[in-house]
Amino acid sequence: AQRVTQPEKLLSVFKGAPVELKCNYSYSGSPELFWYVQYSRQRLQLLLRHISRESIKGFTADLNKGETSFHLKKPFAQEEDSAMYYCALRNQAGTALIFGKGTTLSVSS
Amino acid sequence: NAGVTQTPKFRILKIGQSMTLQCTQDMNHNYMYWYRQDPGMGLKLIYYSVGAGITDKGEVPNGYNVSRSTTEDFPLRLELAAPSQTSVYFCASSYTGGGDTEAFFGQGTRLTVV
Repeated sequence: AQRVTQPEKLLSVFKGAPVELKCNYSYSGSPELFWYVQYSRQRLQLLLRHISRESIKGFTADLNKGETSFHLKKPFAQEEDSAMYYCALRNQAGTALIFGKGTTLSVSS
Repeated sequence: NAGVTQTPKFRILKIGQSMTLQCTQDMNHNYMYWYRQDPGMGLKLIYYSVGAGITDKGEVPNGYNVSRSTTEDFPLRLELAAPSQTSVYFCASSYTGGGDTEAFFGQGTRLTVV
């Protein structure tokens, strides 16, 4: 079965603290994973994709096939990082994305 | 650049009414999608299309219909609205369906069925 699990509904941290948003997946073969973000009053947009191994806005995510995880990390959270974060997995047919339930990140000063 | 445009942004329907959610994209993308998002849940795929004239069911297609007569437009039709269809609907598009292709989303349509 193809599935994405984001165990935390809400993550609250203080400004400057490290952040880790958890994502676990279930997939047969080599997964294609993404993080999407939705800031307040904005549309859902791509944050980063594992295949690019990029760092966007200080966020990184490493694919760990052994633990079937793709956690999103940032060493020092900023207030502007407050948003809803979705982990997504390309489906086996390659036709669409499967989304987790999302985690709300709240960064306060 | 308009990207993906959805209309309307909000709508209240009575049980049994029908409506069409409009979605258009100006990026010449082949793939288009309709997702719904219920409170506290992730986005669930309703229907998708890999090109004009081709549509296919997603995870939760019951109660909906789609068409793709042009590359740009991908309307979603609700024939007999039910309270279970109260949700936020997102349309998205991408150039292809595979690889590291980015999906671009509309701003969403909040539908309430009463």
